[in-house]
Formats: sequence, structure tokens, C-alpha cells
Amino acid sequence: AQSVTQLDSQVPVFEEAPVELRCNYSSSVSVYLFWYVQYPNQGLQLLLKYLSGSTLVKGINGFEAEFNKSQTSFHLRKPSVHISDTAEYFCAVSVRTGGFKTIFGAGTRLFVKA
Amino acid sequence: NAGVTQTPKFRVLKTGQSMTLLCAQDMNHEYMYWYRQDPGMGLRLIHYSVGEGTTAKGEVPDGYNVSRLKKQNFLLGLESAAPSQTSVYFCASSYELDRQNTNTEAFFGQGTRLTVV
Repeated sequence: AQSVTQLDSQVPVFEEAPVELRCNYSSSVSVYLFWYVQYPNQGLQLLLKYLSGSTLVKGINGFEAEFNKSQTSFHLRKPSVHISDTAEYFCAVSVRTGGFKTIFGAGTRLFVKA
Repeated sequence: NAGVTQTPKFRVLKTGQSMTLLCAQDMNHEYMYWYRQDPGMGLRLIHYSVGEGTTAKGEVPDGYNVSRLKKQNFLLGLESAAPSQTSVYFCASSYELDRQNTNTEAFFGQGTRLTVV
């Protein structure tokens, strides 16, 4: 079975500081990896995804993530955050084994303070 | 650009009542999903569908039923609502996962906030 662990439930950070949101996964088969963002009272929207190829993936709003197969991690980073980045961030894993599923982590709430 | 539309957006049910949540997508996606979102638990997959006429159980299927009679619609039913089903429900859709297809992400609706009293 697949699982996703987001290691931090809340991350407070000051505006213009760098941030890293951590995500680890477990799977016995190849995975696709995603980060989604959810702003208050809205649905989720895609930040970035890893399917194959380069392990460093760039997404929208200046975010990037690095796939590390040996550590089974897909951490999300941004070098300088803005107040508008305050939201909940979800790491997700998709696998294709006799069907299809996307499993989400519990989420990390990012608070950006002025 | 409608994308994924969920109806209703809010609903309050009494314990034991039934209801159906409707999800409609206009992107010709093969895959559709129903998730529930609860504080501290992220999104948990209830049921999903890989095509018209097919459905499958996700992580937390008990107490829910689904149907996919048309490709663009995916219905989630609660036959006898319980307070434990108070949650925010999200529908999503996507193309079929394939490494040659880069359009693999899921598109989400705005959610349905359901309260069971």
C-alpha cells in the first residue's frame, strides 16, 4: 500500500524568508508525485508535479520540489515567500496498480507573517 | 471554463436522511474521484471511477455509494447520513495516468460542506 507523510502540520515563516515543506512517501511501485495548494474556502489547485526525468521540478508561484528516490522524499521549497502564499499545501502520490489511486498527505498549513 | 462543478455547496442533514452530491466535469476526463477532507487528515479517497459505468472503492468507502452513468457526471450518495459524515467533500477529475501523457493532474471542484446533525 502507498502512503504519504507530511512531516510538519504547521509552518510559520516570516515574509521574504525561504521555506521548505517536507513530504515523504512509501510505495513498492513507481509513483507520480504532486504538490497541491488550497487557499481558504477553495478547492485544490496544482502547484507542480513529477512524472519522470529531471528530479528538480519547477511549479507555479516560484515553488519548486526535488524528487529523491533513495530517500523517498519530495520536499517543496520556495526561496522567498509572500503573505499571499499563506495556504494549506498537500503532497500527493499517484500509482497505477490494478487500477488507479491518488493518496494525499495530511497537509501542511503555511503561515507567512509580515 | 466551468471545469469541475459540485452541487450543492452547502447542506445540513438530519441523522438518517439521504442525499446525493453531484459532480460534473466538462474536460472529457476519464477519471473522477470523491474525497472527504477533515481537519488534520488531509483528503481521503472515498470512491473513484476510471470510466463511464465503472466505480471502485477508495480508502473510506463505508456509508457511501457512487454512480457514473455518464462520463461527465459522478454522483456520491449517502443512504443514511451519520454525524461522522460531517465533512467537506471534494470531487476531482483527471485524464488517465500514463507516462506519455503529461496532463496527469487532478482538477478539483470548490467543495461541498456537509453537516449532519
